[in-house]
Amino acid sequence: SAVISQKPSRDICQRGTSLTIQCQVDSQVTMMFWYRQQPGQSLTLIATANQGSEATYESGFVIDKFPISRPNLTFSTLTVSNMSPEDSSIYLCSVIRGLGGEKLFFGSGTQLSVL
Amino acid sequence: AQKVTQAQTEISVVEKEDVTLDCVYETRDTTYYLFWYKQPPSGELVFLIRRNSFDEQNEISGRYSWNFQKSTSSFNFTITASQVVDSAVYFCALSEGAGNTDKLIFGTGTRLQVFP
Repeated sequence: SAVISQKPSRDICQRGTSLTIQCQVDSQVTMMFWYRQQPGQSLTLIATANQGSEATYESGFVIDKFPISRPNLTFSTLTVSNMSPEDSSIYLCSVIRGLGGEKLFFGSGTQLSVL
Repeated sequence: AQKVTQAQTEISVVEKEDVTLDCVYETRDTTYYLFWYKQPPSGELVFLIRRNSFDEQNEISGRYSWNFQKSTSSFNFTITASQVVDSAVYFCALSEGAGNTDKLIFGTGTRLQVFP
């Protein structure tokens, strides 16, 4: 299994501010993924972060709103910018592990509430 | 387009009952992977199983078993003799393409409550 640490575990933020979420993995991985889980909903992929290149965003997500950094092979950050109450969600980072890359492991998530 | 449907929003059972969680998927690819994840109240997602589209053998792991049927595009999950600790939200997911699991399409989840 992979050990994935996310910080903060939860936060309450004011509208218009930004929050940066950190994700630390216990060993080097090529790709890291950021998902969002809105209240009572399923998980949606925001973007894929490769070390040394710009993140690849899914439809409906843009870099200005969700800038991502990937400075090395064990760390990534996701920033939720200019927050509104609609951004209240759980944000999860994940990595692939397994001999054939078959397992996607998730961090414990960051529960964000925007007032 | 790819899609995962978990029609059961919430299921309640009493301990020791068997329970089956349904998952129906849509994909145009011939090569794909199906997953089940458990999300207990603590919030983390726990990997349970990955099955590729060429392997239709059913799998059993302890009290858990999975029934994959390509003919009906279903990948159902059964918990035998359920326990209170099984209470969680269970997600079925799909990824397309060969050899990677980088983009998962998740179903909306089934909340299972097991009462003592």
